[in-house]
Amino acid sequence: QKEVEQDPGPLSVPEGAIVSLNCTYSNSAFQYFMWYRQYSRKGPELLMYTYSSGNKEDGRFTAQVDKSSKYISLFIRDSQPSDSATYLCAFNAGNNRKLIWGLGTSLAVNP
Amino acid sequence: DTGVSQNPRHKITKRGQNVTFRCDPISEHNRLYWYRQTLGQGPEFLTYFQNEAQLEKSRLLSDRFSAERPKGSFSTLEIQRTEQGDSAMYLCASSPKWGQSPRYEQYFGPGTRLTVT
Repeated sequence: QKEVEQDPGPLSVPEGAIVSLNCTYSNSAFQYFMWYRQYSRKGPELLMYTYSSGNKEDGRFTAQVDKSSKYISLFIRDSQPSDSATYLCAFNAGNNRKLIWGLGTSLAVNP
Repeated sequence: DTGVSQNPRHKITKRGQNVTFRCDPISEHNRLYWYRQTLGQGPEFLTYFQNEAQLEKSRLLSDRFSAERPKGSFSTLEIQRTEQGDSAMYLCASSPKWGQSPRYEQYFGPGTRLTVT
C-alpha cells in the first residue's frame, strides 16, 4: 500500500464551481498536512498547511483534515481559470525532514 | 519577501558532463532541501541541510550527486558524469527556524530544469 494516494485526474470544472481535491494516507505518524499548487514548469507553491484535524480557511480555499480516517481535502470555492494547475498534497511526520507527496491532481477550470 | 531563488533556470548538457546548480533560500530560514521531480510525479527527496550540516541524503542518490551548504546560506547541487536519466526538474526548498512552535512547511524555488542530451 502506498503511503499517500491521490487521484491524478484530470479534473475539469466550469468557472465558479466548487472543487474538492482529496488525499488518503496510511502512515499514522503524519502530523503535518500541506497543499501545494504547481503550474506547468514552475516550482510548487504552498497554499495551505495545518497541523491538526479540522478545517482551516484562507480566502477561497479550505483545508480539511480527518486524522481518524487518514483523509485530507482541499476545497476551492468560486473556482477561476487561474486555478488551473496541479494540486499536490504533502505530509510530514514532524521529524524535520522530507515531505511525502501525492502524485498531484491536474485541475482545469473552464471559462 | 524575496522567496527562494534558483540558478540557472534551465540547463542543457551533454551526457558525461558535470553540472552545478545554486539555491538561495529565504534569508531567515535555516533548513534547506533538494528535491527532484519528473513529469507526472511528486517531488522526490534528495537531501536536507540544517544550517551547514547535511543531515540526510536519499539512498536513491548515487555517488555522482553531491550537495554543499558551506556557510549555512546558499547551497549547491552538483551532478557528475550526467546521464539521460538525470533529466528532471531540480527543486530547492527552505523552512523557517523553530521558534516556540515547530514549523514544517517548506517553501519552494522555481526549479532548475535539466536536460541531458
